[in-house]
Amino acid sequence: EAGVTQFPSHSVIEKGQTVTLRCDPISGHDNLYWYRRVMGKEIKFLLHFVKESKQDESGMPNNRFLAERTGGTYSTLKVQPAELEDSGVYFCASSQVQGLVWNEQFFGPGTRLTVL
Amino acid sequence: KQEVTQIPAALSVPEGENLVLNCSFTDSAIYNLQWFRQDPGKGLTSLLLIQSSQREQTSGRLNASLDKSSGRSTLYIAASQPGDSATYLCAVRARGFQKLVFGTGTRLLVSP
Repeated sequence: EAGVTQFPSHSVIEKGQTVTLRCDPISGHDNLYWYRRVMGKEIKFLLHFVKESKQDESGMPNNRFLAERTGGTYSTLKVQPAELEDSGVYFCASSQVQGLVWNEQFFGPGTRLTVL
Repeated sequence: KQEVTQIPAALSVPEGENLVLNCSFTDSAIYNLQWFRQDPGKGLTSLLLIQSSQREQTSGRLNASLDKSSGRSTLYIAASQPGDSATYLCAVRARGFQKLVFGTGTRLLVSP
């Protein structure tokens, strides 16, 4: 069974440009999460989807960030326009539906975003 | 607001030593706690998950304990190996939430 995959693995863009990150969760996982780690700090939560619905977007930093999950499968995270402080590693994770005992989150390899 | 702290920030040990990594959290109302491993430039690998009702979990040479009332968890690694060198992250899931709150990690180096 394939794990969580993310594309691209690295992205280097200039300030003001737009970047779109993609995440494919583990097949059958209705929960999808975005996290990021910036400037050597701890990994922080951005938002959580249950299928195609945003369950919790309390961690989204501002309206330059737009996450979508059309059809409840893969998700995209768009940053427009990108700023220097957006540089970091963006992680995606997925888990099975709420209510199961374990509900372990499985993480992808991350996308390293560098904004110049 | 839940805060997670990991001590020490870095640890260097010779091969074969047993070691303990510490994680503390400020709010004991958690649903579960996960320990992860991250290798340089790689994603997070889940090592152990402890539900709030459990006291410990074991996987091979790893043993994680949870004392919810005191807000502490430890990850015990027995007979450390150079391949254990990585950053170890602790994350808690608060009750009523799905998101994980992470600590800053402990960077472990095991020398041959």
